[in-house]
Amino acid sequence: ETGVTQTPRHLVMGMTNKKSLKCEQHLGHNAMYWYKQSAKKPLELMFVYSLEERVENNSVPSRFSPECPNSSHLFLHLHTLQPEDSALYLCASSQDYHSSNQPQHFGDGTRLSIL
Amino acid sequence: AQKVTQAQTEISVVEKEDVTLDCVYETRDTTYYLFWYKQPPSGELVFLIRRNSFDEQNEISGRYSWNFQKSTSSFNFTITASQVVDSAVYFCALSEAVGNQGGKLIFGQGTELSVKP
Repeated sequence: ETGVTQTPRHLVMGMTNKKSLKCEQHLGHNAMYWYKQSAKKPLELMFVYSLEERVENNSVPSRFSPECPNSSHLFLHLHTLQPEDSALYLCASSQDYHSSNQPQHFGDGTRLSIL
Repeated sequence: AQKVTQAQTEISVVEKEDVTLDCVYETRDTTYYLFWYKQPPSGELVFLIRRNSFDEQNEISGRYSWNFQKSTSSFNFTITASQVVDSAVYFCALSEAVGNQGGKLIFGQGTELSVKP
């Protein structure tokens, strides 16, 4: 139990569907992250939120839309995805985005498959 | 530029063997932090250790030990008497203490360790 919960664990969707991934952290952290992990590739940082404000957006296609309504919850809204978007999507949190000595705590991930 | 290299893509050992996972990093900063994470088949990344750039003392935690050498920019991870439950992908990561992006982690490509009974 890492204190970071992601739902759903698995998601299969068509390219025209709209779905959302949810992440919730129970650690009292101020920063939350979305990562994409494709097979045989390193983790790719997608978005970072610090105190509910987006602080980083790493050239992610607009078909991925993050939302952070409060410091405990983070969403990733998906629409008109492509087959290459199939991957494991990991959420993480840390105490403070600007404290580089703080480890990030990860959820179990959502394994997304695009048909 | 920041970079983390884990040259070993896959390692396979037999139970009870010792195994070392290599990690080499590049940074221009004098203050930085290094991390190791374990990713079992279930998917979540589990934090194992953090080391700051000013502390080169090696650390041991049970069967795990870490060797940090600034002279060679390496932060290697050794598992002694490996067990099947150690089978996972292991990631080395770097974060720098400068600017406003202090919390950003740079990950290596990962090393997939398979421990066979």
